[in-house]
Parts: sequence; structure tokens; C-alpha cells
Amino acid sequence: EPEVTQTPSHQVTQMGQEVILRCVPISNHLYFYWYRQILGQKVEFLVSFYNNEISEKSEIFDDQFSVERPDGSNFTLKIRSTKLEDSAMYFCASRLRVGTYGYTFGSGTRLTVV
Amino acid sequence: DQQVKQNSPSLSVQEGRISILNCDYTNSMFDYFLWYKKYPAEGPTFLISISSIKDKNEDGRFTVFLNKSAKHLSLHIVPSQPGDSAVYFCAASQNEKLTFGTGTRLTIIP
Repeated sequence: EPEVTQTPSHQVTQMGQEVILRCVPISNHLYFYWYRQILGQKVEFLVSFYNNEISEKSEIFDDQFSVERPDGSNFTLKIRSTKLEDSAMYFCASRLRVGTYGYTFGSGTRLTVV
Repeated sequence: DQQVKQNSPSLSVQEGRISILNCDYTNSMFDYFLWYKKYPAEGPTFLISISSIKDKNEDGRFTVFLNKSAKHLSLHIVPSQPGDSAVYFCAASQNEKLTFGTGTRLTIIP
């Protein structure tokens, strides 16, 4: 079964450093997403991406965050200057089309900011 | 933000019986509702969805019911199997964005 692949599975970084979380969505999918889950809290929407541009973003997705699809297969989330409160599981997801067709999520990257 | 609520943090059900997971929402603009299952250290896995214009959708052992007037949906799993033990999230869709509930940990007792 096709999978969404995320790397690394765990990333530890110092506060103030930049991190890039990487995702390879399912190859024929057109819509791409990042979500995050802070420990003990809900899974929260960050951003959606379609046709090489952001289609929607949440209040969480401020200027320190950016997304890119640099080469037609990877989909990255960059956090420019990490804060302690950015520590969370970050999930990438993709889907073929909108509607009842469910997202396929990756296994996540656990980001720990120290 | 409490637009999607799962009021039961945990549920235990005997193997072979029916598991009923509940979810309430407040935003009448949601157009689709989805259920996801999550194991530790894995991403959510899509189970089943329902459009806001329907009241029931069935897929094998899984059935989702939607009561729009009550802003309530439920997931029925029958018969429950040990492999169903996981955390179940309901999610509601508006445009591109999913809003998740806090999850219910389902434990199936052999």
C-alpha cells in the first residue's frame, strides 16, 4: 500500500536553530498538508499546499514556518528559529482529491527543541 | 478551540461486542467528517468518512452515523477485535482543513 514517508523520525535541535522536516507524499497525490501534535494535545492543522502554493494556513503557521515542494517529490516544512514550544510530533499528509477521500498521514517526526 | 469534542477519553469493550465511539461538534459549516485510528509512534490511519448530506456510511465492520440536528457523530465497530485497540480520532473538514477531537482510547478485552 502506498505510504507517506517522513524523515527523520526524531530530531533534536537547540532553541534558535533552523530545522527542516522532510516528507515524500504518495506520488499521484495533489494535496499536501502539515499537522502537528504537542504531547497530550490535539492534532492541529498547520498548512495545506496545492498547485505549488499554500492554499490555507492556521494561526500557528506564522512567519517562522515555511513549506516547499522543491523537486516534485519532496514536501518540506522549515522552522526558521525554533522555540521550546515547537516541540511536537509533526505529521505530513497527502491526498488525491478533496472531499470524503481521506488523507494519508506519515508516521511523523518527533521534534524536540532544547 | 473546542469545535470537535470526544468526551470519552477511554472505552473498554469485550471482544466480539459492539464498540461505539462518539463525537460532538459545534461548527455547522463542516462538510465532511472522518474517523482515524492511531497507534503509538505512527501517524493517524484513515478509517471511514461521511459527507454532511448523509446520515450513515458503512464499510465492513465500521459504520459511521451522523445526526446533523444534534451535531453528533458516532463510529460503530462490530464485531470488535483485539487489533482494534488503538486511539480513535474523529475529525471534521472545512475546506482544506481538518479539525480533530482529542481522541478516545479503545481497548478490546479478549
